[in-house]
Amino acid sequence: DAGVTQSPTHLIKTRGQQVTLRCSPKSGHDTVSWYQQALGQGPQFIFQYYEEEERQRGNFPDRFSGHQFPNYSSELNVNALLLGDSALYLCASSSEGVVFYFGPGTRLTVT
Amino acid sequence: GNSVTQMEGPVTLSEEAFLTINCTYTATGYPSLFWYVQYPGEGLQLLLKATKADDKGSNKGFEATYRKETTSFHLEKGSVQVSDSAVYFCALSVPTDSWGKLQFGAGTQVVVTP
Repeated sequence: DAGVTQSPTHLIKTRGQQVTLRCSPKSGHDTVSWYQQALGQGPQFIFQYYEEEERQRGNFPDRFSGHQFPNYSSELNVNALLLGDSALYLCASSSEGVVFYFGPGTRLTVT
Repeated sequence: GNSVTQMEGPVTLSEEAFLTINCTYTATGYPSLFWYVQYPGEGLQLLLKATKADDKGSNKGFEATYRKETTSFHLEKGSVQVSDSAVYFCALSVPTDSWGKLQFGAGTQVVVTP
C-alpha cells in the first residue's frame, strides 16, 4: 500500500512566478491537509480539503489556493511567489480526521 | 487558541542514554496528542499518539503519557541509538473543533553520538 506521495520533490522558481504542487493521499483516505514548514520551524497549517471543498484554512493569504479532485488527490497553488515562500510543503492525509499521515514533502526554493 | 510548547534543542546524548523531551499544551476542548519524527531531508512520520487522558502511546521504544492535570505529553526513551538522531515534533488536534488540524511545536533536534 503506497503511502502519501507528493510531486515534485524539489522545485526552484523565481519571485512573481506561480507554482503547483501535487499530492496523492494514502489509499482509503479522503481528507487532505497542506502544511508549510520553514527551515528550522514546525509545520504551519495552510488548509484542509474534504469532499472537494476547502473545509478549514490557516493564516495564509489568498495567494495560496488549492483543489481536491474526485479521486481525493489534491493540488496546492501559490501565485506571485515571494522569497518568504521558500519552504518544505507537506501534504497529510486521513480517513477520519484524527490521525494524519504525511508525505515526504516538496522543497520549494524561490530566488 | 491552541498551542504546543516543547523544549528547545539541540539535545545531545551518548548512545544508550535516557532521552526525555518535554511537551506541554494549551487547548480548548479535548485534544488528541501526537509525536512526529522528521529524519534529515524527509517528511514527518507519526511516532505515537494518545487520544484521551492517561493514555500511553508507545512505538519503537518511545513512550509518552497524556497527562491532563499537567497538560503535558513528554516523550521518553530508555536507551537511544545513533539512528534516533532526528527532529521530534509534539502536536495536538481537537477533532471536534477543527477537523484534525494539527498544531505543532517548534521541534526539538536530538543528536545521538556513538
